[in-house]
Amino acid sequence: DSGVTQTPKHLITATGQRVTLRCSPRSGDLSVYWYQQSLDQGLQFLIQYYNGEERAKGNILERFSAQQFPDLHSELNLSSLELGDSALYFCASSVAGGKGETQYFGPGTRLLVL
Amino acid sequence: AQSVTQPDIHITVSEGASLELRCNYSYGATPYLFWYVQSPGQGLQLLLKYFSGDTLVQGIKGFEAEFKRSQSSFNLRKPSVHWSDAAEYFCAVNNNNDMRFGAGTRLTVKP
Repeated sequence: DSGVTQTPKHLITATGQRVTLRCSPRSGDLSVYWYQQSLDQGLQFLIQYYNGEERAKGNILERFSAQQFPDLHSELNLSSLELGDSALYFCASSVAGGKGETQYFGPGTRLLVL
Repeated sequence: AQSVTQPDIHITVSEGASLELRCNYSYGATPYLFWYVQSPGQGLQLLLKYFSGDTLVQGIKGFEAEFKRSQSSFNLRKPSVHWSDAAEYFCAVNNNNDMRFGAGTRLTVKP
């Protein structure tokens, strides 16, 4: 158990809909990362937050957005969903967000868009 | 642009045999390099990392990796594989907090 929690574990929705994925980092970690894992794209970095502020952005679509709240939990919002958005979405956390730090991964949220 | 290549999609080894998983990176300076393992239905767990110092890095579960700048490689090794090592292994490089992962190598362990 990494100490990172993600809800829900599974999510099934329809094209065009909007969903919110939630992540609680390990106790004491200030930085949160979001990743997408799919069969065709592999594991891709989406976005990083540190203490409520966006720190780095990867291959995140404009239809996707994220935020980190004062209690340090984070949410990833996916809108206008397409079939290709079906994937496993991971959240990770680290102490201070440095690039040499260990990132601790949650168990993931499996999203299926029908 | 930085990238990570794992040339082997799938490797099968016998239990007790040695293992080497290959990883090549493309990046100008010395990058921050990582190996993660993903068991079925689970998140990723860090095995080891390198960003400076001794080029032979020891990790958890008996794994080690060697950074070779001349070959732009960071191969993962284990002298004797256990059945519980069956999983998917990812090499990753972090530059400016943009973590790039390789496509992964799936390890099957034969009894």
